[in-house]
Amino acid sequence: AQSVAQPEDQVNVAEGNPLTVKCTYSVSGNPYLFWYVQYPNRGLQFLLKYITGDNLVKGSYGFEAEFNKSQTSFHLKKPSALVSDSALYFCAVRAPTGGGNKLTFGTGTQLKVEL
Amino acid sequence: EAGVVQSPRYKIIEKKQPVAFWCNPISGHNTLYWYLQNLGQGPELLIRYENEEAVDDSQLPKDRFSAERLKGVDSTLKIQPAELGDSAVYLCASSSGLAGSSNEQFFGPGTRLTVL
Repeated sequence: AQSVAQPEDQVNVAEGNPLTVKCTYSVSGNPYLFWYVQYPNRGLQFLLKYITGDNLVKGSYGFEAEFNKSQTSFHLKKPSALVSDSALYFCAVRAPTGGGNKLTFGTGTQLKVEL
Repeated sequence: EAGVVQSPRYKIIEKKQPVAFWCNPISGHNTLYWYLQNLGQGPELLIRYENEEAVDDSQLPKDRFSAERLKGVDSTLKIQPAELGDSAVYLCASSSGLAGSSNEQFFGPGTRLTVL
């Protein structure tokens, strides 16, 4: 069975500092990996995905994520955090074959960016 | 381009009452998903449609939950009767491409259900 772990319930960072939100996964075969962001009372918004190719993936709003196969990780990063980045972030994984298009989500990490 | 539309946004009902949620996916998206999101948790898949066919409903509690997507476009999720533990946010999502596609899913704003 596929699974995602987001080990931090909350991450606090000062505006202008770099941020990292951690994600590790477990899946059979090469994974498809996704990051989504959720603002209060809103649905999930797609940020970026890793399918194949370059391990560093760039996405929306200046976010990027690095796929590390040996560590089965897909950490989300941003060089300079903004207060407006404060939200709930979800990592998700799915297997490229079998199981249809089923996404398995982590439990989420609340990012708080302070002035 | 309009996103995934869901209604209602909020619903409060008493236990044992029926409730229905509606979703209109992004135009042209043939795959539609219903998710359940409990507070402090990630979404969990209830059912997935490819066009009008339910291809994965293994997580749908079929004793009280039902869903339909009759013309392969919009969809309705129903609970009858609702229980206290059904209080959650119900999310609808859609994507282009079928099983095996790497395309991302686009989510609607969700329906927040409160069962009293």
